Amino acid sequence: AQSVTQLGSHVSVSEGALVLLRCNYSSSVPPYLFWYVQYPNQGLQLLLKYTTGATLVKGINGFEAEFKKSETSFHLTKPSAHMSDAAEYFCAVSGNTGNQFYFGTGTSLTVIP
Amino acid sequence: DTGVSQNPRHKITKRGQNVTFRCDPISEHNRLYWYRQTLGQGPEFLTYFQNEAQLEKSRLLSDRFSAERPKGSFSTLEIQRTEQGDSAMYLCASSSGRDRGNSPLHFGNGTRLTVT
Repeated sequence: AQSVTQLGSHVSVSEGALVLLRCNYSSSVPPYLFWYVQYPNQGLQLLLKYTTGATLVKGINGFEAEFKKSETSFHLTKPSAHMSDAAEYFCAVSGNTGNQFYFGTGTSLTVIP
Repeated sequence: DTGVSQNPRHKITKRGQNVTFRCDPISEHNRLYWYRQTLGQGPEFLTYFQNEAQLEKSRLLSDRFSAERPKGSFSTLEIQRTEQGDSAMYLCASSSGRDRGNSPLHFGNGTRLTVT
């Protein structure tokens, strides 16, 4: 069965600082991995998805994620935080069929001016 | 692509009442999902449709919950005899399924249910 674990339910960074949000996956087969962002009272918006064979995946709004099979990780980064990045971030994994997607518990990002 | 639409956005109901939510997916998407999200948690899977067929149901989905997608287009989620524990955000998502597990979900803005 697939699952993801997000380390750190709350992360605070200063505006302009590096953003690092952690996600580790558990899967017996190569996983399909995603990062989503959620703003208050809205649904989830896709930031990026893992592409088989890639190690660095680029997404929207300057976000990237690095896939490390040896560490079963898919951490999300952004070189320079912006105030508008303050939101809830979710890592997700799906199986081969796409019948179910499993989400982490989320990381709330605060950006300090 | 007008996005996934959910109605209503907010619903307040008294315990014991029935409620129904509607989801209109992206028109060319044949896969539709319902999730429930409580405060501070990630979305929890409830059920999945491919066209009009309900192919997966979570054990979270008690007998009071029923979902339909009669013509493979819009879907409804009904909760009968609501309980305070049903208070949550109910999210609908759709997917083309072209890449199977690698086809991302597209979410609506959710229906926030409050049971008093």
